[in-house]
Amino acid sequence: QKEVEQNSGPLSVPEGAIASLNCTYSDRGSQSFFWYRQYSGKSPELIMSIYSNGDKEDGRFTAQLNKASQYVSLLIRDSQPSDSATYLCAVIDSSYKLIFGSGTRLLVRP
Amino acid sequence: DGGITQSPKYLFRKEGQNVTLSCEQNLNHDAMYWYRQDPGQGLRLIYYSQIVNDFQKGDIAEGYSVSREKKESFPLTVTSAQKNPTAFYLCASSMAGALYEQYFGPGTRLTVT
Repeated sequence: QKEVEQNSGPLSVPEGAIASLNCTYSDRGSQSFFWYRQYSGKSPELIMSIYSNGDKEDGRFTAQLNKASQYVSLLIRDSQPSDSATYLCAVIDSSYKLIFGSGTRLLVRP
Repeated sequence: DGGITQSPKYLFRKEGQNVTLSCEQNLNHDAMYWYRQDPGQGLRLIYYSQIVNDFQKGDIAEGYSVSREKKESFPLTVTSAQKNPTAFYLCASSMAGALYEQYFGPGTRLTVT
């Protein structure tokens, strides 16, 4: 069973700090990697996609991919209370299916 | 505005009734997907369609049916055979090809009693 693992949290950080969210995946043939943000009661919103090893920055968000270690992370700089949500890691595996982790709940304390 | 719409937002049904959830997109995406989300769990794929008049079962297709008669529309029917239908149902779409980002509609919360 191909899996995407995330710590369920909650991860609690003070306002202005860097939040670091991590995800590991089991299928070494996975090719595309995504981070979605989901507010309580709402649908997931795509915030980052990354396809090759290294870092990808978009505003306050940085996605990091390490295929050799099979992990992908999301850094949120200058965290704001409005960033409080559940962050879902999703991976397109070697059979071209999008597999979701169960999410990490982030709490940003004012 | 381009996007994905799902209706209704909330749906209540009695056990034993079939119910159809609507999903429409105007993003000109070829591929459409249905997921189910239960509390504290990740999304699970029910059905997907890469092209009109063709669709495939996902990981949890039992008790569900779909149709894809138009590129813009991908309705999901939850039948009485689905043992635990109460869940948050999410429709998504993407460009053709399996490696592209999927974008989600607002979801339908179905409660069956």
